[in-house]
Amino acid sequence: GQSLEQPSEVTAVEGAIVQINCTYQTSGFYGLSWYQQHDGGAPTFLSYNALDGLEETGRFSSFLSRSDSYGYLLLQELQMKDSASYFCAVEGKDYGQNFVFGPGTRLSVLP
Amino acid sequence: DAMVIQNPRYQVTQFGKPVTLSCSQTLNHNVMYWYQQKSSQAPKLLFHYYDKDFNNEADTPDNFQSRRPNTSFCFLDIRSPGLGDAAMYLCATSREAADTQYFGPGTRLTVL
Repeated sequence: GQSLEQPSEVTAVEGAIVQINCTYQTSGFYGLSWYQQHDGGAPTFLSYNALDGLEETGRFSSFLSRSDSYGYLLLQELQMKDSASYFCAVEGKDYGQNFVFGPGTRLSVLP
Repeated sequence: DAMVIQNPRYQVTQFGKPVTLSCSQTLNHNVMYWYQQKSSQAPKLLFHYYDKDFNNEADTPDNFQSRRPNTSFCFLDIRSPGLGDAAMYLCATSREAADTQYFGPGTRLTVL
């Protein structure tokens, strides 16, 4: 099966850069995804890493190292609207463990 | 225009009374997912359909069933809701397996 770990909370100020880490244990997976969820809203897709390395999408970047069982989401030029929960997720190759979200990191952006 | 639609947005049911939640999509995606999300927790996958092929997660209780009569619609049936089933239920779609998932707004279920 899969298990993922993330810090529960992160706080930063507007304009700063913040990194949200995700470590995982899995017997096999296709890739690592990141989703954003505002309070009361639905998750929205941010980024996906199928291969090791950095993927950049605007202010957001995501990194994966399969050898280290580790990934992170990097948010640059933080804005107040970035205050939300961020989830890493893996799509597993094991039967009955198709898509597993991490516990989520609540990001608070302060003025 | 909404691409993944869930009805109703809020559902109240009584302990033990069957309830059905619905999801429809205009994306013509092959895969549809149902997740349960409790307060301050991550979404938890219950099951998904790849086309008509049903895939149950290993730890999804038998109390939860699903139907997908056609590409556009998918239903979540809770046969005998318990107090512990009160949660937000999220439907999502993806074009193919391991693709980006698009979530609906969710149905918040209250069990009295």
